[in-house]
Amino acid sequence: EAQVTQNPRYLITVTGKKLTVTCSQNMNHEYMSWYRQDPGLGLRQIYYSMNVEVTDKGDVPEGYKVSRKEKRNFPLILESPSPNQTSLYFCASSSFGYRVGYTFGSGTRLTVV
Amino acid sequence: DAKTTQPPSMDCAEGRAANLPCNHSTISGNEYVYWYRQIHSQGPQYIIHGLKNNETNEMASLIITEDRKSSTLILPHATLRDTAVYYCTLNDYKLSFGAGTTVTVRA
Repeated sequence: EAQVTQNPRYLITVTGKKLTVTCSQNMNHEYMSWYRQDPGLGLRQIYYSMNVEVTDKGDVPEGYKVSRKEKRNFPLILESPSPNQTSLYFCASSSFGYRVGYTFGSGTRLTVV
Repeated sequence: DAKTTQPPSMDCAEGRAANLPCNHSTISGNEYVYWYRQIHSQGPQYIIHGLKNNETNEMASLIITEDRKSSTLILPHATLRDTAVYYCTLNDYKLSFGAGTTVTVRA
């Protein structure tokens, strides 16, 4: 089944403790992206990657890092999480060549205390 | 800056057509119009997209005006399961969603 898989689904952590949210897709998509969703603010893009080793900032990149060493994986790294990073996070992927829209993961609900 | 504008909410009776408008007056010639929906806090789901012609698939129809400055998503026979937030977006890979339209289908 074609899908984007995020892990974990839920995470509660403490301020300052480094964490990684994984994202993997099995569709050989070139494009991958991370979003956060907060009440009243809609979905905002954090980082995106147009292919392996090619990443760029989205609208709200502060406090986050990403890497794209393999085409299928695009982890989101919070080096020193803070409470204002408590949010619902989504990973998405898409193919450049075929305009079929983005496939989104099921989301990761992160709480930083 | 928001590139699309949508009404914040709308109600629809079950079994009736739901017409969701979207304005995108600054759309450029090579930008596609995409529609997604999000049910509760699930990941957004792609519905349909178009460039300038009307499009139809098993989920919905998309009507784009001739000047491409607005579009309408049509859910032909809304069901309770269509209750969701619907997003209209111009897919340029720096994809961003605004607040969307919260559609409530009532029995």
